[in-house]
Amino acid sequence: AQSVTQLDSHVSVSEGTPVLLRCNYSSSYSPSLFWYVQHPNKGLQLLLKYTSAATLVKGINGFEAEFKKSETSFHLTKPSAHMSDAAEYFCVVSDPQAGTALIFGKGTTLSVSS
Amino acid sequence: GAVVSQHPSRVICKSGTSVKIECRSLDFQATTMFWYRQFPKKSLMLMATSNEGSKATYEQGVEKDKFLINHASLTLSTLTVTSAHPEDSSFYICSAPRLGAKETQYFGPGTRLLVL
Repeated sequence: AQSVTQLDSHVSVSEGTPVLLRCNYSSSYSPSLFWYVQHPNKGLQLLLKYTSAATLVKGINGFEAEFKKSETSFHLTKPSAHMSDAAEYFCVVSDPQAGTALIFGKGTTLSVSS
Repeated sequence: GAVVSQHPSRVICKSGTSVKIECRSLDFQATTMFWYRQFPKKSLMLMATSNEGSKATYEQGVEKDKFLINHASLTLSTLTVTSAHPEDSSFYICSAPRLGAKETQYFGPGTRLLVL
């Protein structure tokens, strides 16, 4: 079975400082990994995805993530936080045994202060 | 980009009544759709996989007689919460992978259900 662990339930940063949201996964297969963002009262939006191509994945809004198989990690980073980045972030792994259903981490709330 | 809609976005109902939630893929076809439930401050929990033209597949612990799923066409799946109770109050989200692009899922905006 596949699972994903988001190591921080809440991360607080100041505007203009770097963002690091940590994610570790467990998988018996070659996983596909995703980061989704959920703003209040809005739907989930795909930030980026890793599907066995380049290990450093660039996404929207300046976010990127690096797939590290040796560490089973897929941490999300951004060099400089913006107030609009404040949201809930989910690390997600695909489960091939369940077709294309997604397995969600518990989420990390990112707060950005001015 | 692909769009998935849900209707209604918010519904309040009395205990014992049934509520139907629609999930539509607006500009692509989806033979499979997924229904998730999200509690406050919690992650999304997969409830069931909706399959066009066949029965839905439910996750362990999800009551199939309570959460009826119908996938009537390649662009529409419905979730009916039957005999709703206050503990069914939650945020329900659907998603659909685009045909030929299995790794990319498009999520609906969600439906907030409040059962009084």
